[in-house]
Formats: sequence, C-alpha cells, structure tokens
Amino acid sequence: GAVVSQHPSRVICKSGTSVKIECRSLDFQATTMFWYRQFPKQSLMLMATSNEGSKATYEQGVEKDKFLINHASLTLSTLTVTSAHPEDSSFYICSARQGGNYGYTFGSGTRLTVV
Amino acid sequence: GDSVTQMEGPVTLSEEAFLTINCTYTATGYPSLFWYVQYPGEGLQLLLKATKADDKGSNKGFEATYRKETTSFHLEKGSVQVSDSAVYFCALSLNQAGTALIFGKGTTLSVSS
Repeated sequence: GAVVSQHPSRVICKSGTSVKIECRSLDFQATTMFWYRQFPKQSLMLMATSNEGSKATYEQGVEKDKFLINHASLTLSTLTVTSAHPEDSSFYICSARQGGNYGYTFGSGTRLTVV
Repeated sequence: GDSVTQMEGPVTLSEEAFLTINCTYTATGYPSLFWYVQYPGEGLQLLLKATKADDKGSNKGFEATYRKETTSFHLEKGSVQVSDSAVYFCALSLNQAGTALIFGKGTTLSVSS
C-alpha cells in the first residue's frame, strides 16, 4: 500500500531557530501534499496545500512567511518553520493523495517543541 | 459550506461492548467518506472508506455505511477491545483534484478491561 514517510518524528529546537520537516511518498508520486497542524486533543487543522513545482496554497490565517513549504519533486514536500517560537510547538502531519480511489495517506507526524 | 460533524467524546466502554460513533456530513456533489484512527503520538491510519451511497466500508471488525438519505457514516463495532482505544476521525473528500480531506473534530474512545 501507499506509504508516506515523515521525519523527524520529534524535534526540540531553541526559540528563534528554523526547523525543517520532510514528507516523502515512498511508493507513489504525489502531485499534491497537505500539511496539517494538530493541537492537543483537537482535530487536524489544514495549514496548506503543497503542489509540485508551484507555490503552496495557504489556508486563511496561516503565515506563509513563517511556514515555508517546498514541493520540489513528485515525492518530496518540506515544511520549514522559520524563527520558531514556543507557540509554534505542536504536532505537524503531512498527507498525500495517490489519486483515483486510493484515498489519502498520512505521515506519522512530527512533534515540534520550541524551548 | 462542506463539513463533518461527529459525536463528542470521550466515549468510555468496557471490553466487548458495542460501539457506535455518529458522523454526519454536509457536502455538495458526491463525496467519499472515511474513518481514520489515531493512536497516541502517531499519525492517522485509514480505518475504512466508502465512495458512494449504500457502500459499506469495513476493517478490523469496524463497519460504516454511506447513507446519503441521512447524510451519515456512523462507525460501529460489535465488540470493542482495549487495543481499540484511540481517537477516531470521520472525514470526507469532495473528490476534486488538489483538495484536502475535511475532518470532524474527532472522538476519543477509551476501552477498559
């Protein structure tokens, strides 16, 4: 089945630094990937839609200069949290759709803690 | 707008009890419907799906039927186990290229032995 690999699974960084999270589709090509943020005991909040070879589409209220998304190939999308602050601490999850009726496959998530 | 509403939790059950988690949706067109499960500290795993009216998705003893007349996709399991303790998300896809899943708020299930 379709597999999406996301790493790192956990990262702790100092306030003011940047952190990059990678999301790879291992056995299929994903022209579109999605980035979500999840707060404790809450649902997933869509942050942006990442399109291969073009600019990401951000949801309202998401700072595109803070959350940089790059989708340079059909199998890789990256989310960079720039100048991270403690309020950026959260669980970030990526997702990719294989197309047709295959549904959406999710990465295992990244727990970001900014200290 | 398009949305998913699922029952609020937490749902607390004893092992071998019957489980129902209600999910209703509002959507234009003909969406596909999904249930995902999230274990603590992990990403989401697809539990089951249905792509058209009257389809029944099933997996690991869980079932859900796509009911267009009631715009519902309730999740059921006849006999829950402690290992089923997790958060369950109902979601829909508008089946349009490049669009993300629309999630419900999630329902926490806790099963005790």
